[in-house]
Amino acid sequence: DAGVTQSPTHLIKTRGQQVTLRCSPKSGHDTVSWYQQALGQGPQFIFQYYEEEERQRGNFPDRFSGHQFPNYSSELNVNALLLGDSALYLCASSLTRDNEQFFGPGTRLTVL
Amino acid sequence: AQKVTQAQTEISVVEKEDVTLDCVYETRDTTYYLFWYKQPPSGELVFLIRRNSFDEQNEISGRYSWNFQKSTSSFNFTITASQVVDSAVYFCALRGGGKANFGNEKLTFGTGTRLTIIP
Repeated sequence: DAGVTQSPTHLIKTRGQQVTLRCSPKSGHDTVSWYQQALGQGPQFIFQYYEEEERQRGNFPDRFSGHQFPNYSSELNVNALLLGDSALYLCASSLTRDNEQFFGPGTRLTVL
Repeated sequence: AQKVTQAQTEISVVEKEDVTLDCVYETRDTTYYLFWYKQPPSGELVFLIRRNSFDEQNEISGRYSWNFQKSTSSFNFTITASQVVDSAVYFCALRGGGKANFGNEKLTFGTGTRLTIIP
């Protein structure tokens, strides 16, 4: 039973560029949440997707957008990258009727 | 608004000592869930425990135990006879629950406690 997978593992971009991160949920899960974890901080909720729609959003600018596909996988897009976007981006999946979120290994994004 | 406070930024103990990680939370929800996650250097958050607000029984799992006290809004985590493999960053997290919070499954994390076990 595969857990949550994310790609790529590491990514280096320059300011102003755009990036797309990908997440495949744990088998049987239909909800995907994204979190940003800056160095030395706890994860911060970005948004959550269910039934291909954004259900809930944290305090992040519109530069952060996402998508969920019919197979429940998800993408996180960040436009006009800033140095402050450098962080570990974590994807978590869950069942809507269950509140246990399983996290992937994360994508470490470095913006130069 | 929900808030989780982990006042201990870093803790170092010698192997085999017991250690307690503190977690204090704030929420207006009557139904809520509390979690502990472990984050080893690899970065992946590993689920340790979930507790709902109606169950104040302490829980023990091997060397791990959790003390949930609603009166003080605390959910502390104790590792008994610590081992080097316990070295990691530990996060306490909170989320709302119940029908009124359906669609509010986001986790609110504390800032974490870095635990180092010295051999």
